[in-house]
Amino acid sequence: DTEVTQTPKHLVMGMTNKKSLKCEQHMGHRAMYWYKQKAKKPPELMFVYSYEKLSINESVPSRFSPECPNSSLLNLHLHALQPEDSALYLCASGQTSGRGYQETQYFGPGTRLLVL
Amino acid sequence: SQKIEQNSEALNIQEGKTATLTCNYTNYSPAYLQWYRQDPGRGPVFLLLIRENEKEKRKERLKVTFDTTLKQSLFHITASQPADSATYLCALGVTGNQFYFGTGTSLTVIP
Repeated sequence: DTEVTQTPKHLVMGMTNKKSLKCEQHMGHRAMYWYKQKAKKPPELMFVYSYEKLSINESVPSRFSPECPNSSLLNLHLHALQPEDSALYLCASGQTSGRGYQETQYFGPGTRLLVL
Repeated sequence: SQKIEQNSEALNIQEGKTATLTCNYTNYSPAYLQWYRQDPGRGPVFLLLIRENEKEKRKERLKVTFDTTLKQSLFHITASQPADSATYLCALGVTGNQFYFGTGTSLTVIP
């Protein structure tokens, strides 16, 4: 199974709402990622979890809160978002090579988020 | 500042020709470089990886070169087909688990 799944596929939320995005993989990968992608732009790295611990936070605003409950699951909790946060949110997972770095990433289909 | 730029935002070529996409970077020391394909509304799909000590990699109709002196990677699709139309992204892998994507090139193969 080389699939990364993400739910929901689409999400519309108001600026005062709290919602969560979910990501799941069963490939045994120990690194998981959240990216944000705006239209016609490349994915921007937000967070990296390695062995269920947050290893990288790319200066993301605190209204985005990641969580890794176990090695297969990754959540992104959203609260008090702004309209400019509307984007495609991509989850990815990867396996660290013997050299200590990621050699590939498997991406999910993304959650299309609209903040009104 | 750190930049990863791909040669053009859009590239149109005739079916059967070779498409060549460029990825240039500054102020990074990548351990390796990857190429991904992304279709509209979908997540990127991994195509090829080339390490800093490798000059060239091939996979079927795809070829990647990596010149760490020029800080450039070239991505070639030979005998291009309309089904190859997509956005192609390069990504630099630095130490640890960090990846940084290039600006992307939208390729259209015209029948």
